[in-house]
Amino acid sequence: EVQLVESGGGLVQPGGSLRLSCAASGFTFSSFAMTWVRQAPGKGLEWVSGISSSGDSTYYADSVKGRFTFSRDNSKNTLYLQMNSLRAEDTAVYYCAKNWGGADYWGQGTLVTVSS
Amino acid sequence: EIVMTQSPATLSVSPGERATLSCRASQSVSSNLVWYQQKPGQAPRFLIYGASTRATGIPARFSGSGSGTEFTLTISSLQSEDFAVYYCQQYNNWPRTFGQGTKLEIK
Repeated sequence: EVQLVESGGGLVQPGGSLRLSCAASGFTFSSFAMTWVRQAPGKGLEWVSGISSSGDSTYYADSVKGRFTFSRDNSKNTLYLQMNSLRAEDTAVYYCAKNWGGADYWGQGTLVTVSS
Repeated sequence: EIVMTQSPATLSVSPGERATLSCRASQSVSSNLVWYQQKPGQAPRFLIYGASTRATGIPARFSGSGSGTEFTLTISSLQSEDFAVYYCQQYNNWPRTFGQGTKLEIK
């Protein structure tokens, strides 16, 4: 059974940093590209970033480019989203998802709140 | 970036009736489009990929059509569990982009 479990969310002040993790199991992690999607409270889905299976290629939404870094450790079956220079508008539930075309499996999300 | 526009924002339909949801891309995305369903407090659920192929385990009452810039999700006979928010997303270009969603509510 495919499982994706996000962690690392919490309350952070504007300008601060946070690192999210996503632990994957139930599939051959190193064979699949992965994705982060976020959802602000009461709002729609926003694609954040994608990473290739090897980690060599990454793509970002303009809203996070230069502030967020997506990486992976295939030996640990884990994804990381390093978020710097956080803003109030980054407040959202962050989901990791399998694949970067259609995302066929999703975690339950971790809430990031940026507030003073 | 490609802008995805869904219509209507809210659709009121009675159980047992057909629902038709639309998604338009600001430029061609070929058939590289997916549909998701999301219920309150839950992660999105993968419904349709390649514009028209149902994902594993998705009931046959869900169907997708279209290519290029115009896409449709049809639910042939609405069940109580189908009332939710539906999103389209293109995966033809970077960055990937979602539509703003259509809320399907009980009439």
